[in-house]
Amino acid sequence: GAVVSQHPSRVICKSGTSVKIECRSLDFQATTMFWYRQFPKQSLMLMATSNEGSKATYEQGVEKDKFLINHASLTLSTLTVTSAHPEDSSFYICSARDPGKVDGYTFGSGTRLTVV
Amino acid sequence: AQKITQTQPGMFVQEKEAVTLDCTYDTSDQSYGLFWYKQPSSGEMIFLIYQGSYDEQNATEGRYSLNFQKARKSANLVISASQLGDSAMYFCAMREATYQAGTALIFGKGTTLSVSS
Repeated sequence: GAVVSQHPSRVICKSGTSVKIECRSLDFQATTMFWYRQFPKQSLMLMATSNEGSKATYEQGVEKDKFLINHASLTLSTLTVTSAHPEDSSFYICSARDPGKVDGYTFGSGTRLTVV
Repeated sequence: AQKITQTQPGMFVQEKEAVTLDCTYDTSDQSYGLFWYKQPSSGEMIFLIYQGSYDEQNATEGRYSLNFQKARKSANLVISASQLGDSAMYFCAMREATYQAGTALIFGKGTTLSVSS
């Protein structure tokens, strides 16, 4: 089945630094990937849609300068949290769309970010 | 207005019993897809079942079935013969416009299921 690799799984960083999270589709080409944010015991909130070779589309209220998304190839999308603050601490999870399947959404295992 | 509504924050069931997790949705599209995912404490999202809006029969996958009532815009998940390993958070999600590759899944707030022995 389709596999999406996301890493790191956990990261702790200091306030003011940047953190990069990678999302990679291993056995299919994903022209579109999605980034979600999830607070404890809450829903997944869509942050942005990442399209290969073009600018990401951000949801309302998501700061595009803070959450930089790059989708440089058909198998890799990255999310960079810039100038991280403690309130950016959260669980970030990516999803890759396999366009050949109507139910083809595969999720990475998520990244737990803690900013200290 | 919420696109996906899950009204049960928590559900409790005993092993071997069946349980129904509720989900209602709101869309004006004729073509859409409905999904259920399981999220254990590890955080991974495990795909359980999918129902397309044009599918005439309710979807089933092993112990999971989706009770799709289109006129009522509901897509309830039924888990038969619950197991301890079913304890997790369950999310209902929707994609509008089935064949557009760029359309994201929108999630409900989730239901925490606890299975006891």
